[in-house]
Amino acid sequence: QKEVEQDPGPLSVPEGAIVSLNCTYSNSAFQYFMWYRQYSRKGPELLMYTYSSGNKEDGRFTAQVDKSSKYISLFIRDSQPSDSATYLCAMRKGTGGGNKLTFGTGTQLKVEL
Amino acid sequence: DTAVSQTPKYLVTQMGNDKSIKCEQNLGHDTMYWYKQDSKKFLKIMFSYNNKELIINETVPNRFSPKSPDKAHLNLHINSLELGDSAVYFCASSGDPVNEQFFGPGTRLTVL
Repeated sequence: QKEVEQDPGPLSVPEGAIVSLNCTYSNSAFQYFMWYRQYSRKGPELLMYTYSSGNKEDGRFTAQVDKSSKYISLFIRDSQPSDSATYLCAMRKGTGGGNKLTFGTGTQLKVEL
Repeated sequence: DTAVSQTPKYLVTQMGNDKSIKCEQNLGHDTMYWYKQDSKKFLKIMFSYNNKELIINETVPNRFSPKSPDKAHLNLHINSLELGDSAVYFCASSGDPVNEQFFGPGTRLTVL
């Protein structure tokens, strides 16, 4: 069993929908949680970065962390075709350890017109 | 003015060959990484260097050898390539251990 689990999709939604992407993890030592977006044939780019439990909002994107359930989510409001990409959750333990990120397998999202 | 660049972008080679992938970052970062992304998009760290010093060395065959001539460059040399080495290899860098990692565009390696 992988340390971080993520439904690979694909997930197909109509333009304007609210998208919910999720990851679960097994290692309670994870403290920093990230969402990366990866367009086809490109490198991942950081979308959201949160520390410990709670919510963080940035424009149409909201990241939620529930450490008690070992569950993180990314919500995309008013989804656009340009949001079509693979979304990777990533997490790491506290400082030290060389900033090793553990990634989920990614969820492929397609937003259709 | 690309932040993290990799060469080559595509690499097609025969089994048993030796090849190198180069990475350069112009962000002034101290830490650089190599990741492997398989066909199912799973991204896994291989190595990390901080100021030319190896700090992460995951369970990677010793056919893979990273080299950091200076803190702006981290190259990956692969000996005796195998079919299972086919993947996309990403280089990344970060300013310090808690900061965002910036990824390069990837090198798509195909071993025939």
